Amino acid sequence: KQEVTQIPAALSVPEGENLVLNCSFTDSAIYNLQWFRQDPGKGLTSLLLIQSSQREQTSGRLNASLDKSSGRSTLYIAASQPGDSATYLCAVTSSGYSTLTFGKGTMLLVSP
Amino acid sequence: KAGVTQTPRYLIKTRGQQVTLSCSPISGHRSVSWYQQTPGQGLQFLFEYFSETQRNKGNFPGRFSGRQFSNSRSEMNVSTLELGDSALYLCASSTQGVEAFFGQGTRLTVV
Repeated sequence: KQEVTQIPAALSVPEGENLVLNCSFTDSAIYNLQWFRQDPGKGLTSLLLIQSSQREQTSGRLNASLDKSSGRSTLYIAASQPGDSATYLCAVTSSGYSTLTFGKGTMLLVSP
Repeated sequence: KAGVTQTPRYLIKTRGQQVTLSCSPISGHRSVSWYQQTPGQGLQFLFEYFSETQRNKGNFPGRFSGRQFSNSRSEMNVSTLELGDSALYLCASSTQGVEAFFGQGTRLTVV
């Protein structure tokens, strides 16, 4: 059974810092990995999708990497801003299916 | 391009009642999945429908059921509601195995 772990559970940083969020998964037979952002009481916003054959994806100040063999992914946020404050969730999809297995998330607070 | 639409946004129900939630996926997406989110358990998979067929099911009791229509819209039903069913219910649509897009969710409160 696939299990996804995210470390740290919570993170507080001052504005302008670069930061890294970590995600690990137990079964390396994944189809893709997706990072999401969730604001309180809201739905999930897709940030980055990494296919299993890819090593990284970039979007603006965000960069996500994937090391399938070691079961790890990182989300790098450059020059953090207060608007980045949210919960960040990592999820993996097993081969051929759309079912996502989620981690518990990292709650990020960026202070002005 | 319209996103995933979930209705209603908020619901308050009494224990023992039943409830139906609706999800309209992004046009062209044939896969619809449902998830339950609670503070204690996080996001848990309920079921996935693809072309009107349930393709995968999570570990939830039979009180939770769903269906998908020919236009890919999906509904989930919870019968005999319990206090523990209070949660944010999220729907996601995707083309097969690719990027998933979520709706804003339905907040269900059981009293």
